[in-house]
Amino acid sequence: EPEVTQTPSHQVTQMGQEVILRCVPISNHLYFYWYRQILGQKVEFLVSFYNNEISEKSEIFDDQFSVERPDGSNFTLKIRSTKLEDSAMYFCASIRETGNTIYFGEGSWLTVV
Amino acid sequence: KNEVEQSPQNLTAQEGEFITINCSYSVGISALHWLQQHPGGGIVSLFMLSSGKKKHGRLIATINIQEKHSSLHITASHPRDSAVYICAVRSVAMRFGAGTRLTVKP
Repeated sequence: EPEVTQTPSHQVTQMGQEVILRCVPISNHLYFYWYRQILGQKVEFLVSFYNNEISEKSEIFDDQFSVERPDGSNFTLKIRSTKLEDSAMYFCASIRETGNTIYFGEGSWLTVV
Repeated sequence: KNEVEQSPQNLTAQEGEFITINCSYSVGISALHWLQQHPGGGIVSLFMLSSGKKKHGRLIATINIQEKHSSLHITASHPRDSAVYICAVRSVAMRFGAGTRLTVKP
């Protein structure tokens, strides 16, 4: 069974620090996503990425956030200056083509202190 | 108003019971996903629907595009089905329901 892998599984960071969350999507997938879930709340869309550029982003995905696919395999989410309210589980997901099954990673739990 | 509404919010059932979880949405969609989130947090896709009905094992998902409504059914429920079930719709971006927390007691 193919899988999306995420690292780290858990990171604690000081407020104001930069954080990079890493994802390795399934190798032949073309569409990549980041979602977040604040503890006790519903999953929220952050950004989608296709053909090496952002295709959609939510109002949550402000200038503090950026995504990259630096080497054709990793897909990273960077938070430049973390805030307490960035504490959440961040999920990466990928799809081969639109209309196909979406595969989620296990999540990266970010705690900002 | 949430664009994706799920009911019930919480559901407790006895092993063997037939379970129904409902999802209503208010936006135009290209597809609807039913997801399962385990206690550890991992999310697994159960179904992706754009019309009609799909079945996988004891799970059945239906969608009525005209009524903007979908249901997830679990037949012969089992304690291992205990999880949060999330309805998500794909329009411009994916929008998620708040989830239904299912507990199946032996």
